[in-house]
Amino acid sequence: DGGITQSPKYLFRKEGQNVTLSCEQNLNHDAMYWYRQDPGQGLRLIYYSQIVNDFQKGDIAEGYSVSREKKESFPLTVTSAQKNPTAFYLCASSIDGLAKNIQYFGAGTRLSVL
Amino acid sequence: AQKVTQAQTEISVVEKEDVTLDCVYETRDTTYYLFWYKQPPSGELVFLIRRNSFDEQNEISGRYSWNFQKSTSSFNFTITASQVVDSAVYFCALSVPSGGYQKVTFGTGTKLQVIP
Repeated sequence: DGGITQSPKYLFRKEGQNVTLSCEQNLNHDAMYWYRQDPGQGLRLIYYSQIVNDFQKGDIAEGYSVSREKKESFPLTVTSAQKNPTAFYLCASSIDGLAKNIQYFGAGTRLSVL
Repeated sequence: AQKVTQAQTEISVVEKEDVTLDCVYETRDTTYYLFWYKQPPSGELVFLIRRNSFDEQNEISGRYSWNFQKSTSSFNFTITASQVVDSAVYFCALSVPSGGYQKVTFGTGTKLQVIP
């Protein structure tokens, strides 16, 4: 079954701690995205990657970092610099970066602060 | 800049009623794509439909239908004979080309509750 797997489903962060959210896809897609979803708000783009070893900041990149060492994987690190990390995080992928493409989403990771 | 407005925050209907979810968008791009996604309680967004800016044909898929009107910049979604399984948050999204990547702007979503 092709798809996007995000783990963990729930994550708790202590103050001053960095945490990493995993995103793996087996769709052979070039483009991958990280979004943040807050209650009552739409999805906001954190980072995106068009190709391995390349990624770009989205609209709300401050306090986050990513890597794209493999096509299948696009982990997101929420650093201690992100002062309000509590949110639902969604990873998505698409065939490539063209505007027409459908984005396919994982089931999300819900991050809370202890 | 792009903008997507879903003015209905929450809608409740009784099962078998028809319901329309509104979506109004803003963009200066002449080429763009509109999407609807469904987010069930499980969390992942599920793709429902895509339309491009040059195709104003309405579409019907089972109980779902979409009305795209460029004149009013709207892309509304109607569910006919709603069912409890339709309960979810529905997002309208606008995608435009931006420096070689896909810039997607999501609306704030409409939460639909179908009451049995």
